[in-house]
Parts: sequence; C-alpha cells; structure tokens
Amino acid sequence: QKEVEQDPGPLSVPEGAIVSLNCTYSNSAFQYFMWYRQYSRKGPELLMYTYSSGNKEDGRFTAQVDKSSKYISLFIRDSQPSDSATYLCAMSASGSARQLTFGSGTQLTVLP
Amino acid sequence: NAGVMQNPRHLVRRRGQEARLRCSPMKGHSHVYWYRQLPEEGLKFMVYLQKENIIDESGMPKERFSAEFPKEGPSILRIQQVVRGDSAAYFCASSPDRTANTGELFFGEGSRLTVL
Repeated sequence: QKEVEQDPGPLSVPEGAIVSLNCTYSNSAFQYFMWYRQYSRKGPELLMYTYSSGNKEDGRFTAQVDKSSKYISLFIRDSQPSDSATYLCAMSASGSARQLTFGSGTQLTVLP
Repeated sequence: NAGVMQNPRHLVRRRGQEARLRCSPMKGHSHVYWYRQLPEEGLKFMVYLQKENIIDESGMPKERFSAEFPKEGPSILRIQQVVRGDSAAYFCASSPDRTANTGELFFGEGSRLTVL
C-alpha cells in the first residue's frame, strides 16, 4: 500500500465548475501538507501549503486537511482553462520535512 | 530572479554510458534536493544536499548513483552505467533556510533522461 494515495483521473470539467481534488495517506506522522501544480513538461510549482489540520484559502483555491481521517483536499472555484494541469499532493513529517512524499498526481482538464 | 536552472533538459544515453545532470539553485538558496519522476508515478525523493555536504541520501539507489553540491558551481547528479530503468524525469529543487524544515520547495523544469 502506498503511503499517499491520489486518484490519477483524468478529470475533465467545464469552465466555471468547482473542482475537488483529494488525497488520503497512511502515515500519521505527516504534519506538513502541500499541493503542487505541474503543467505538461514543466516542474511542479507550489500552490498551497498548510500545517496540521484546518483550512487555508488563497483566491480561488482552498486547501483542507483532516488529520483524523488522514484526508486532504484542494478545491478550485470558478475553474479556468489555465487551471488545466496535473495536481500533486505532497506531505512530510515533522523533523523530516526535507523528504516530501508525493501522490501520483491528478490530471485536470478545464474545458472552455 | 532566476528560478532553479537544470541542464540538460533532455539527455539520451545508451546502456552502459554515464549521465550527468546539473542543477543551479535559486539565488540565496543553500539547500538542494533531487527527485525522480517515473512515468505514471509520483515524484520520489532521492537526495538532499547542502554546500559540500550530503544531508540525506536515503532515497538514492545504493549503486551507480551519486550526487554532489560543491562549494562552487552547480549540484551534479551522476548516474553511471545507465540502464533502461533509469529513464525518467529528474527534478532538482531548492529551498532557502527558512523553509528547509517545512517542505516548501522550488522546482526546476527537470532533466529528461532517455536510455536506449
């Protein structure tokens, strides 16, 4: 069983839709949770970063962490074609934050 | 402010040859990380370095792979006697001191190695 599970998709939605992306994990030591966005043939770029449980909002993006369920989510409101990319969840344990454990990524396409 | 620079972007090698991948971190960043991304898989941690020191190489294969980050110049990931299974995208990331313990990384665009 993988430490981090992420539905690979692909996920296709119409422009303006609300997108929900999710990851589950098994390691209860994870404390830092991140979402990276990776455009085709490019490197990942940090989108959202949260520590421990709770919600964090940044513009159209909201990240949620539920440590009791070992479940994290990324919501994208008013999705745009420019949001089409692969979204990677990543997490790390306190004290070993240098080693990120990534999900395999969800490929999202927002149709105009 | 230039981002993380990796070269070459694409590298083709025949089995048994050596591959050298270079990474220059962002200005002001002293922490460098190498990750490997295999087709249809997530990024896998390989090694974490600071200037002249390997801090954590727990993700690095024991044989044929080595990494360095010299006092001057870029970080180098070296793969000796490449095999077809080494074909992957190799990403370098860097971080400043303030995020070295949180995992906020800045990635380069990757070097794509193809082994024939």
